Amino acid sequence: GQSLEQPSEVTAVEGAIVQINCTYQTSGFYGLSWYQQHDGGAPTFLSYNALDGLEETGRFSSFLSRSDSYGYLLLQELQMKDSASYFCAVGRGSTLGRLYFGRGTQLTVWP
Amino acid sequence: EAQVTQNPRYLITVTGKKLTVTCSQNMNHEYMSWYRQDPGLGLRQIYYSMNVEVTDKGDVPEGYKVSRKEKRNFPLILESPSPNQTSLYFCASSGSGIGETQYFGPGTRLLVL
Repeated sequence: GQSLEQPSEVTAVEGAIVQINCTYQTSGFYGLSWYQQHDGGAPTFLSYNALDGLEETGRFSSFLSRSDSYGYLLLQELQMKDSASYFCAVGRGSTLGRLYFGRGTQLTVWP
Repeated sequence: EAQVTQNPRYLITVTGKKLTVTCSQNMNHEYMSWYRQDPGLGLRQIYYSMNVEVTDKGDVPEGYKVSRKEKRNFPLILESPSPNQTSLYFCASSGSGIGETQYFGPGTRLLVL
């Protein structure tokens, strides 16, 4: 089977840095994605890591260590609008089609 | 405007009454996928399609059917809906697979009585 573990809740203040960890156990792994979802909205793609290392996109960075089956999403210079749910998801299988999501981390940013 | 559209956005139906949720994208994407989202469970993939006439099961395909006769459309069919299919459904598309930006539709809230 497969499993994805991420914290259920994280809180931080504006301007701070927060890291959301994701550990996975799955067969046929080929990449880790991150998505953001605001209450009542649709998920929004943030990043995809197929190789080990850090990918940076503006205030958000994503990291993957395939040997440790571990990744994280790093959010810097937090803003109130970053309050949302964040999901990690693993791509797996023989095609680039299967995607398995974690249960999500609710991030609350306080002023 | 590049977008994924779903219809209907809200639907209340009764057990056993066949329904179809449509999904359409205007970005010429090859990859399309359906997910359901339930409280505390995150998103779970129902079916996906790598291209026209190519579909495959996700993690929770039971009770659902899909078809991909045209590149832009990927309807989700519930032949005999049951209350455990009450959920929020999202359609998504990307250029060629899950390694690229995946664009989600606005969601369809389904209640099966």
